[in-house]
Amino acid sequence: DVKVTQSSRYLVKRTGEKVFLECVQDMDHENMFWYRQDPGLGLRLIYFSYDVKMKEKGDIPEGYSVSREKKERFSLILESASTNQTSMYLCASSPVAGSTDTQYFGPGTRLTVL
Amino acid sequence: GENVEQHPSTLSVQEGDSAVIKCTYSDSASNYFPWYKQELGKRPQLIIDIRSNVGEKKDQRIAVTLNKTAKHFSLHITETQPEDSAVYFCAARVQGNNRLAFGKGNQVVVIP
Repeated sequence: DVKVTQSSRYLVKRTGEKVFLECVQDMDHENMFWYRQDPGLGLRLIYFSYDVKMKEKGDIPEGYSVSREKKERFSLILESASTNQTSMYLCASSPVAGSTDTQYFGPGTRLTVL
Repeated sequence: GENVEQHPSTLSVQEGDSAVIKCTYSDSASNYFPWYKQELGKRPQLIIDIRSNVGEKKDQRIAVTLNKTAKHFSLHITETQPEDSAVYFCAARVQGNNRLAFGKGNQVVVIP
């Protein structure tokens, strides 16, 4: 059974702080994704990675960076948190395209920036 | 890039009735169309998907239909039950791409 875990379910940070959100998957998936979920806006892709040390910008990368040093781990970094980054953050993973295309999601981290 | 739109944004149905959610996509090169269900407080989970070489797929009370000419696909839920209440997301993937483009989601409320 695929398992995607995220480091925190709830996080409260102050404006200007550097924030790390971590995601770990245990199925040896090549692809990993970070989404942001806001009411009425659905799932918006921030960054994704299709291999170790590889990353690609999604639709809303501004204010975020990512790191993938190991295949199973994908970190989202908010260099200087701002109040408009208060949101639910969802990580997902999937195997290489064409094998099976299902994206498996983590439980989410609800981040509040004060 | 691919743009996916969902209609309606909210749908209320009486228990036992059918629910239909429609999505449209913009890129004719898209070849994979999944539907995810997200119950309150939980993570999105895949419930059904369809590829562009198939027109319809069914799994018990849920089905998905695809019209490539019109570039739309629909989720059909029959004999709705209270546990079908959730947000449903459609998505599309362009061939050769690793990423999905998601719609904004539909809130389905099943009234007992």
